[in-house]
Amino acid sequence: DAGITQSPRYKITETGRQVTLMCHQTWSHSYMFWYRQDLGHGLRLIYYSAAADITDKGEVPDGYVVSRSKTENFPLTLESATRSQTSVYFCASSDQGSYGYTFGSGTRLTVV
Amino acid sequence: SQQGEEDPQALSIQEGENATMNCSYKTSINNLQWYRQNSGRGLVHLILIRSNEREKHSGRLRVTLDTSKKSSSLLITASRAADTASYFCATDARSGAGSYQLTFGKGTKLSVIP
Repeated sequence: DAGITQSPRYKITETGRQVTLMCHQTWSHSYMFWYRQDLGHGLRLIYYSAAADITDKGEVPDGYVVSRSKTENFPLTLESATRSQTSVYFCASSDQGSYGYTFGSGTRLTVV
Repeated sequence: SQQGEEDPQALSIQEGENATMNCSYKTSINNLQWYRQNSGRGLVHLILIRSNEREKHSGRLRVTLDTSKKSSSLLITASRAADTASYFCATDARSGAGSYQLTFGKGTKLSVIP
């Protein structure tokens, strides 16, 4: 199906474990983004990418790693999960920079 | 830090009434956008207004932008129960060529009572 897909939808992991959240889009949009959404903080940008092999840090990058070897995929890895990374993670894409993002349905991550 | 801040944080109205939400931001922008988020879902783009525009309409939505006051408002006319959602403003800060990151506010939670 066309669109932007995040997986898994829900994930529970233990402190210290590595976790990878997947994001796949079918439009060949150049721009992709990872946000986390927390009560009281709204959405905060973690990492973003303007094209394959080009990534950059956002507002809250610590503890996260991204890669973008293919235009359509933008995985987000928590190298050693901490309870403070319990959140809802959203991936988004855009074909015109900041002119309108399309969001995925989100991954609800709980770190215990 | 958040670029945009919505006001009020929560709004409850009766079906058929108009809903107005406000957004204030801090730095110069290229454009300002409004998004809707239904509970448990991703955000959906509603409308974009460029920095050289003052007002824009899309269906029952009306957005205004006052760059001198660094503020925007979103008006939803004749609200419906299906409009119940959180609404976010997002700004594209003018920081030179290639700026494409959006900064989101914390949102206004709108409840439309049937």
